[in-house]
Amino acid sequence: QVQLQESGPGLVKPSGTLSLTCAVSGGSISSSNWWSWVRQPPGKGLEWIGEIYHSGSTNYNPSLKSRVTISVDKSKNQFSLKLSSVTAADTAVYYCARGKGIAARGAFDYWGQGTLVTVSS
Amino acid sequence: DIQMTQSPSSLSASVGDRVTITCQASQDISNYLNWYQQKPGKAPKLLIYDASNLETGVPSRFSGSGSGTDFTFTISSLQPEDIATYYCQQYDNPPGFTFGPGTKVDIK
Repeated sequence: QVQLQESGPGLVKPSGTLSLTCAVSGGSISSSNWWSWVRQPPGKGLEWIGEIYHSGSTNYNPSLKSRVTISVDKSKNQFSLKLSSVTAADTAVYYCARGKGIAARGAFDYWGQGTLVTVSS
Repeated sequence: DIQMTQSPSSLSASVGDRVTITCQASQDISNYLNWYQQKPGKAPKLLIYDASNLETGVPSRFSGSGSGTDFTFTISSLQPEDIATYYCQQYDNPPGFTFGPGTKVDIK
């Protein structure tokens, strides 16, 4: 059973950089899956941030592309998110998720529990 | 960017009722459409992928249909445990896998 677990600071100062890691267990990050980050502001809907393949190929939401970097560490079986120049609007629960497979890369079948990141001074 | 709309934004129904939610894409997305269920404080759960395929382990009372720009999600007999918010999501091509705004379902 694949499990994903997000970790990182729960509080980030405005203009700073949000950094989160998603540890994958019960499966290999080098499998034929894309790995994504999704966020949800309190009381609001879901927003896809971006995805990465174990080769290092990435795709980002155009609305966030200038501030987002997603990377993979195959040796640790994990992938990471960095979001720069954060504002209060970036306050959200951040989820990591697995794409179902190459043919259904955008269908997220496994999710982490989510971690709340608050942007505040 | 592909925009997704859902209707209704919320609904109340009785246990055993048939519940239908619609989702519309701003352009043709073929069948690259998924449906998720999210309960308060929990991560979303994939129910339907590629418009009509039931995810493993999901009860058969959930179903999906449609292609192109218009999609439908149905709960054939609403159960108390189905109280949640339901989201459609397109993944026609990256970048930009977009979610619909959600439909909140509760019991009348």
